[in-house]
Amino acid sequence: GAGVSQSPSNKVTEKGKDVELRCDPISGHTALYWYRQRLGQGLEFLIYFQGNSAPDKSGLPSDRFSAERTGESVSTLTIQRTQQEDSAVYLCASSPMQGGPYEQYFGPGTRLTVT
Amino acid sequence: GENVEQHPSTLSVQEGDSAVIKCTYSDSASNYFPWYKQELGKGPQLIIDIRSNVGEKKDQRIAVTLNKTAKHFSLHITETQPEDSAVYFCAAMLYRGGADGLTFGKGTHLIIQP
Repeated sequence: GAGVSQSPSNKVTEKGKDVELRCDPISGHTALYWYRQRLGQGLEFLIYFQGNSAPDKSGLPSDRFSAERTGESVSTLTIQRTQQEDSAVYLCASSPMQGGPYEQYFGPGTRLTVT
Repeated sequence: GENVEQHPSTLSVQEGDSAVIKCTYSDSASNYFPWYKQELGKGPQLIIDIRSNVGEKKDQRIAVTLNKTAKHFSLHITETQPEDSAVYFCAAMLYRGGADGLTFGKGTHLIIQP
């Protein structure tokens, strides 16, 4: 079946512009996660959704970052007034909520470059 | 919060030999430890995981061991093959019955020499 998809796959933007990254989770997966992966680094957890609710937003790097999810499906991660340090691969994952712990299925990521 | 350290950052082994990657974690309450494999240009993929009530788990050529007292866990790959070349990440989480984020190590670049 279809896995997690993300768009765009690559995004180049100028410093100061806003960007919106999209994640389509696996159908039926209630939980959705966003991670950031800087070059040569591990994954940094940003935020997760249980359904459409994000119980803990403390992992977001700054108030320029926000995320939303609608219909227990698509999620968007928005970065306002982008800075060069925002350059990274942004990964989305989803997981079912039955049983547990739950395997997180990752998408291919969006590579963001801020010039 | 949780902190995960992973070693080595790069590991080169001859095809057919074994590879071992080690991780330590800081939060003794963590109870779920997955390992992910990431190939170039792709998202990480779960290869094996272990819960804190188990000391060892094996799946064909891959095994994971957990020492709760020392707060460390290791990935063992035997009879390595060229397709095992990738970046491997360990992670830890306190599973409390719902979704939550994983804390990842910085990764090990495994290179299988022919």
